[in-house]
Amino acid sequence: DAMVIQNPRYQVTQFGKPVTLSCSQTLNHNVMYWYQQKSSQAPKLLFHYYDKDFNNEADTPDNFQSRRPNTSFCFLDIRSPGLGDAAMYLCATRDRDRVYNEQFFGPGTRLTVL
Amino acid sequence: EDQVTQSPEALRLQEGESSSLNCSYTVSGLRGLFWYRQDPGKGPEFLFTLYSAGEEKEKERLKATLTKKESFLHITAPKPEDSATYLCAVQQNTGNQFYFGTGTSLTVIP
Repeated sequence: DAMVIQNPRYQVTQFGKPVTLSCSQTLNHNVMYWYQQKSSQAPKLLFHYYDKDFNNEADTPDNFQSRRPNTSFCFLDIRSPGLGDAAMYLCATRDRDRVYNEQFFGPGTRLTVL
Repeated sequence: EDQVTQSPEALRLQEGESSSLNCSYTVSGLRGLFWYRQDPGKGPEFLFTLYSAGEEKEKERLKATLTKKESFLHITAPKPEDSATYLCAVQQNTGNQFYFGTGTSLTVIP
C-alpha cells in the first residue's frame, strides 16, 4: 500500500545532541510537511516543501532545519535539542495538483530529550 | 489573525448518545476545511474535506457540515471504538499551509 513512513518511531536523545528524523513516501506527492505536536496541542507547522521549494514558517526556531533530497524523502534535523523540543513529530504529504488535496500523515516520531 | 477553534476540548458520551463537535474558523479566503481522527500515539487519519458552505459529507456514524464560519462533526449513536481526538484544519486559497485546531478528545463509554 502507498504510504507515509517515518523512522524511527521513537527517538531518545540527550540535551544538545543533534538528531535527524526521516520521512519517506510512496505516494509521489509533490508537497511534504513537518509538524510538531505536543501533548493536547494542535499540530504546529514547521516547514513544507513544494517539490524542491522550501518554505519555513516564521516562528520555526533556527534550531530546526530540513532537507528534501528527492521526491520520496524528507529529513528534519534538530541541531541542539532542548527539553522543550520533546514532542511528536509528524510528516505529511499532499498532491497539490489534485482538486481534492487532503494531507496524508505518517505515524509520527516521538522524540524524548534527556 | 487566522484562527481555528474547536469545542469542546473534551467530551464523554455514553454508547449510543449522539452529539456534535464544533470547529469555528476565521481565515481570509477558505479553500477547504478538513476533519481528521487521531488515536493516541498515532498520526492523524483523514476523514472528510468540505469546500463550500452548505456542503455535507457522511461516513458511517459521522457527518460533517460546513457554514461560512464553522463546521460541525455530528456523531450518531457512537461506539467505544469512536473514542479518539478529532482535529479540524483549514486551508486558505493561497499557499500550501494548513492550520489545525487543538482538537476535541472524545471518549465513548460502553
